Amino acid sequence: DAGVIQSPRHEVTEMGQEVTLRCKPISGHNSLFWYRQTMMRGLELLIYFNNNVPIDDSGMPEDRFSAKMPNASFSTLKIQPSEPRDSAVYFCASSFGSVSAFFGQGTRLTVV
Amino acid sequence: GESVGLHLPTLSVQEGDNSIINCAYSNSASDYFIWYKQESGKGPQFIIDIRSNMDKRQGQRVTVLLNKTVKHLSLQIAATQPGDSAVYFCSEGKTSYDKVIFGPGTSLSVIP
Repeated sequence: DAGVIQSPRHEVTEMGQEVTLRCKPISGHNSLFWYRQTMMRGLELLIYFNNNVPIDDSGMPEDRFSAKMPNASFSTLKIQPSEPRDSAVYFCASSFGSVSAFFGQGTRLTVV
Repeated sequence: GESVGLHLPTLSVQEGDNSIINCAYSNSASDYFIWYKQESGKGPQFIIDIRSNMDKRQGQRVTVLLNKTVKHLSLQIAATQPGDSAVYFCSEGKTSYDKVIFGPGTSLSVIP
């Protein structure tokens, strides 16, 4: 298995633009997580899906952030409009039947 | 204004020595604990886990100890190697609920 696949690996965008981050979880996994990592705040859980349904989005910073999981093999995290303070590394992770998750390589987002 | 980032605890050890990384967790209801390793430019990688009905678990060169009385977790790495240099995160969760919370991390630096 190729593991959790995220795209793009790097994204540079201007403030105010829409950004979409993509994730393909490991086949057969039924839980998917979006995390954000910054020097200021460490590794934060943004949202978590189970069987494609959002279970806990209490970590989503504000309404500019939205996440979807239209099927078991794909999820997106969208930021609209983006702001410089959204610059971070965004990780997607997936798991099945346990709490231990497998992480993707991350998307490094820079908003200028 | 001045930005303040996370000041990661740092542990420096000589190659071949044993390393001990400590972690305090916050939720006494957590029943599942995981250690992750994050190398530069990569996502966190699962190392070892332990459930609350155990106080010790061993893997290959790694041992996790759990002290529920004081809510303390430790990771011991035997014969530390340069490839062990990374940031190590402890995380806590509940098996009945997949959400996992990460600690701030400890940076391990191995001196050749």
